Formats: sequence, structure tokens, C-alpha cells
Amino acid sequence: DSGVTQTPKHLITATGQRVTLRCSPRSGDLSVYWYQQSLDQGLQFLIQYYNGEERAKGNILERFSAQQFPDLHSELNLSSLELGDSALYFCASSVARDSIPSTSGNTIYFGEGSWLTVV
Amino acid sequence: AQKITQTQPGMFVQEKEAVTLDCTYDTSDPSYGLFWYKQPSSGEMIFLIYQGSYDQQNATEGRYSLNFQKARKSANLVISASQLGDSAMYFCAMREGKGSSNTGKLIFGQGTTLQVKP
Repeated sequence: DSGVTQTPKHLITATGQRVTLRCSPRSGDLSVYWYQQSLDQGLQFLIQYYNGEERAKGNILERFSAQQFPDLHSELNLSSLELGDSALYFCASSVARDSIPSTSGNTIYFGEGSWLTVV
Repeated sequence: AQKITQTQPGMFVQEKEAVTLDCTYDTSDPSYGLFWYKQPSSGEMIFLIYQGSYDQQNATEGRYSLNFQKARKSANLVISASQLGDSAMYFCAMREGKGSSNTGKLIFGQGTTLQVKP
């Protein structure tokens, strides 16, 4: 158990709909990351938050948005869903905003993922 | 640009034997971190081992060790005494960024599927 909690684990929804994925980071972790894993794109970084503020943005579509709340949990909102959005969405967390690569304590732990199927 | 390459799409190993999964990386930043994750068929991403670019020793975690060859830009994962439960996809990843602008974002390789035979 990584300590990162994601809900829901599985979600099936129709095209055009909107869903919200939720993530609770490990206790004490201030950074939250969202990743998308699909068969054709592999693992792609979407967005990072640190202590409530957006820190970095990756290949996140405009239809997707995220936020991190004062209690440090995060939500990823996916709207106007398309078939191609079907994927495994991961949340991950780490202690720091900026990494100190030589410090193993700054590793990144992943949740179990949320399987999204758009039909 | 930073890049991670895993050249072995699939590998087989006999139970109780050791296996090496290859990973090469490309970066111009002298400060970086390398990770290995295991993804079983159930889907979760499990952290295995971490190596920092300035670490003098190769990282080890139980049956996992990382053969870090900085000059060759390789970070191969060695699994000793393979077990049936080691059958999974394995991803090598690198933390991207330069110095203080490092965001902690990970770049992943395409993964290697390992199957352990009884």
C-alpha cells in the first residue's frame, strides 16, 4: 500500500459526460501529480500541484482541469469525454515541490489508479 | 530533451534465477533521479527503487538492485531470485527538470513485460 488513495477505482461513462477523479496523497506529502496511461500514448504526465498551487503542466487537454484543496487532496475533472479518453488515470504524491535528486526521500508514490472507460 | 529507452518489450526468466531489465536515459542535466516501478496486471504502479545522479553507491532494495553506469547513461534493474509474483510490466522513469526549476515530473520508458516461468 503506497498510502496514496484514489477513487473511484473503476468508472464507465458515456461520451460527452463529465467525471471527477479524487486523490488523497500520502500523509505529509505536499505535491500531487496526475498521470494518464493509455495503450497508444503510454504514461503521460498531466499536471502537478504543490500545496494548493499549480506547479507544472504537461499534456493535459483543455477539457481537463484539476485542483488541490487546502487539505491537500486533489481532484481531476474530465469533461466532454471522448472515447479516446478511456485510460488508467494515476495520482501520485511526494513530499517536496522541487526534487533533490540525490535524496531518496523525494521519491514519488503512485495510487492504484482509476480505470475510466468512455462508451 | 530528456528521454528514457527500454529496448526489451518482453522477457522471460526462470523462477529463482536473476534477470536484468535494461534502461538507458538521455539528459543534459547533471542533477536527476532515476526510478523503477512495477505494474502488475491489476494495474497499480508500485515503486521499487530510486537512484540519484550524485549517489556514489548503486541503490539496492531487497531483491532489487540498480546497476547505475553514469558514463553510459544506463540504469538497469536487476532482480535476484525471481519469483512468480515478479511477473509484471516494469517501467524505468527519470525525474525531469533543471536545478531549482525541477518540478518532479517523471518521464517514463515504454516498459518491459517480465514473465517468470515456474
